[in-house]
Amino acid sequence: GIQVEQSPPDLILQEGANSTLRCNFSDSVNNLQWFHQNPWGQLINLFYIPSGTKQNGRLSATTVATERYSLLYISSSQTTDSGVYFCALAYSGAGSYQLTFGKGTKLSVIP
Amino acid sequence: EPEVTQTPSHQVTQMGQEVILRCVPISNHLYFYWYRQILGQKVEFLVSFYNNEISEKSEIFDDQFSVERPDGSNFTLKIRSTKLEDSAMYFCASSEYERHSFGEGSRLTVL
Repeated sequence: GIQVEQSPPDLILQEGANSTLRCNFSDSVNNLQWFHQNPWGQLINLFYIPSGTKQNGRLSATTVATERYSLLYISSSQTTDSGVYFCALAYSGAGSYQLTFGKGTKLSVIP
Repeated sequence: EPEVTQTPSHQVTQMGQEVILRCVPISNHLYFYWYRQILGQKVEFLVSFYNNEISEKSEIFDDQFSVERPDGSNFTLKIRSTKLEDSAMYFCASSEYERHSFGEGSRLTVL
């Protein structure tokens, strides 16, 4: 199956700082998603980004599928950005697209 | 924007009891999934459902678990004879193809 590795595992930022989270994956698949898990446990869709770059407010993501990595950028971080960030990729099995998740990056933004 | 809805948001049960978790996927989606996240760990695939039958399942999804689409809108996960180690957050998801939409999760606590 697909191997997904995220780095760093933990990150502590001062409010207002910028950060880059990385996701490496083993296969050249083009269906990567980024999620934010908030302190209540909810998984929030951030980006579906098979390739290229997308931006949404202070967040942006870039995926280079041929080199098997994706980056999530958080600019001007706020305390509400705290939580765990997961990347995930779909494995196309027989009649299914189940996701394989990385272990996540736990982000703590302190005031 | 359409959403995946899950009920209950939190359930507490005694060991050995049966639990049913319910989900309403997005109406035009073809693929339905259940995932599990034990506290502090990554999200793991349990089962996928397509064309009214299980299409893929992980080794976690043993005879204790079953899924059903009892009508045109609901998708359920049944856990028989719950064990302490079944305590986790259970996420339902649906997709048209690779891009998943997740529900807010059902937190199961087995005492």
